[in-house]
Amino acid sequence: SAVISQKPSRDICQRGTSLTIQCQVDSQVTMMFWYRQQPGQSLTLIATANQGSEATYESGFVIDKFPISRPNLTFSTLTVSNMSPEDSSIYLCSVGNPHYEQYFGPGTRLTVT
Amino acid sequence: AQTVTQSQPEMSVQEAETVTLSCTYDTSESNYYLFWYKQPPSRQMILVIRQEAYKQQNATENRFSVNFQKAAKSFSLKISDSQLGDTAMYFCATRDDKIIFGKGTRLHILP
Repeated sequence: SAVISQKPSRDICQRGTSLTIQCQVDSQVTMMFWYRQQPGQSLTLIATANQGSEATYESGFVIDKFPISRPNLTFSTLTVSNMSPEDSSIYLCSVGNPHYEQYFGPGTRLTVT
Repeated sequence: AQTVTQSQPEMSVQEAETVTLSCTYDTSESNYYLFWYKQPPSRQMILVIRQEAYKQQNATENRFSVNFQKAAKSFSLKISDSQLGDTAMYFCATRDDKIIFGKGTRLHILP
């Protein structure tokens, strides 16, 4: 398994601003994923981020709103741009292994006012 | 398209009892993977158990076991001798080209 940390753990942001969430893994991984989760709800995949290539976004998510960086095999960032209250959610970073198991970070709880 | 359905939004059982969480799925693939994940209140999501679709034998991990019925596309999780620490949201998930999660079952273990 991998140990994943995320920063910040939570934040309260004003409408119209941007927040960058960092995800650090303790080992090199090829595939990283970003999810959004409303409290008490299921997970929705935002994008898959592979090192050395552009992130692949799921339907309903666009790069201008959620730009992702993946500069190396242990780190990724997700930016939530031009935030609105509808972006209030928990954002989770996840990594996959060759057995298709996924390991999750602790999440970033974002509140937009 | 892949779908995962968990028909029990919430369940409660007494400590030490056995509980079964239901999950049905749909996929067009013949080779895929199935998972149960656990998310305790305000804590990190963790993998509970994994099943490869090509394996007929049901996976087990200590007190956790699955009943995998491939023809029925059913993948239930059984928790034996339930403990207070099993209180959590449980998500069933399937993966062929990407992982899809069900809506979850909130499980309460009562003392």
